[in-house]
Amino acid sequence: DGGITQSPKYLFRKEGQNVTLSCEQNLNHDAMYWYRQDPGQGLRLIYYSQIVNDFQKGDIAEGYSVSREKKESFPLTVTSAQKNPTAFYLCASSTTGYRGYTFGSGTRLTVV
Amino acid sequence: EDQVTQSPEALRLQEGESSSLNCSYTVSGLRGLFWYRQDPGKGPEFLFTLYSAGEEKEKERLKATLTKKESFLHITAPKPEDSATYLCAVQSPGGSQGNLIFGKGTKLSVKP
Repeated sequence: DGGITQSPKYLFRKEGQNVTLSCEQNLNHDAMYWYRQDPGQGLRLIYYSQIVNDFQKGDIAEGYSVSREKKESFPLTVTSAQKNPTAFYLCASSTTGYRGYTFGSGTRLTVV
Repeated sequence: EDQVTQSPEALRLQEGESSSLNCSYTVSGLRGLFWYRQDPGKGPEFLFTLYSAGEEKEKERLKATLTKKESFLHITAPKPEDSATYLCAVQSPGGSQGNLIFGKGTKLSVKP
């Protein structure tokens, strides 16, 4: 079955470390997105990519980086510059022209 | 600025007690309005897409409606398994293609 796989489900990071969250899709979708979700807040867009080797900053890109070397993969790196990285991270994908997002199951990142 | 506001923030119902969730939006030219269901610790699950005022969509006990200023998610005779957070999102020409603006959600609890 087609879908989006995020890994790991839980991730712990020490302060000052960079960590990378994985997102893989087999839906043949062109566009992929990373959102951050905090309690009491809506989903906030971090980065998005509409085509391989191209991506754009969202509303809260500071302290994050991404790559899009393959259509199926859109990894997110949370760098040490991100001051408050503890959150639930969601990856999503869609076809171009937009008809709906498919979300992954999320990664919960905790700074220890 | 495009904005989505959901109300109430939380709603407690008894099993069988019908009610509605509200999503009001301010966008310059709506391209689509989307409803998602999110269970704790999981990614959002797509429910409905509405594109024009007057449009309605139904799925089991859920019915989504759309006007020029707001959308309602009507829940008829809810069951405990309907307990979840319901997210509303809109897409407008102001955002890059495919990007959604999410509300903060309504947390629904249905007691047996």
